[in-house]
Amino acid sequence: QVQLVESGGGVVQPRGSLRLSCVASGFSFSSYGMHWVRQAPGKGLEWVACIRYDGSNKYHADSVRGRFTISRDTSKNTLFLQMTSLRPEDTAVYYCAKVKNTIFDSFEIWGQGTMVTVSS
Amino acid sequence: QSVLTQPPSVSAAPGQKVTISCSGSSSNIGNNYVSWYQQFPGTAPELLIYDNIKRPSGIPDRFSASKSGTSATLGITGLQTGDEADYYCGTWDSSLSAYVFGTGTKVTVL
Repeated sequence: QVQLVESGGGVVQPRGSLRLSCVASGFSFSSYGMHWVRQAPGKGLEWVACIRYDGSNKYHADSVRGRFTISRDTSKNTLFLQMTSLRPEDTAVYYCAKVKNTIFDSFEIWGQGTMVTVSS
Repeated sequence: QSVLTQPPSVSAAPGQKVTISCSGSSSNIGNNYVSWYQQFPGTAPELLIYDNIKRPSGIPDRFSASKSGTSATLGITGLQTGDEADYYCGTWDSSLSAYVFGTGTKVTVL
């Protein structure tokens, strides 16, 4: 079945770095755009970044631009989020999501999420 | 803060109907497809509505949606205790070049 599994979360100190991974299965990963969405404890959903199916276009939220980078490795069916210069306000559950058609429309499938805690 | 505005909470008795509004602008709802997501505590969100009004397979027809101008609405009829969850609208914002979510609405079944 279609599945997304995130990993790489953990506890990191402020100004530290972390790389999240999202392994896709059950669908043609190279044919779909992907997103990262986060949710701080007790808060709403916040979009983080997205990448087109072929990696040709990437978009990042203002809150993470210049610090986070989305990428993908089609040979490994894996989506990444490289996070640097982490701040306490980046503490959240990070979800990866597969789009239904294009990166501009809906998120059809979500992973279970991975928790990132930025604290000294 | 969120670009799309939703009421913090709505409630109704079992069997009744609730509606959740999502207000935006011409750069987002006005010119792009709206989606709705349902999220239970401690779990990942799930797609409820896409392309303004369409339901993915497996979503009951008790859930419906509409869009008019720069606003969208989600309706839940025949309310059940299992519908208690947080609901978010979402769409692409062409001016921001970013996906935007609504502030979220908690549905309570009285």
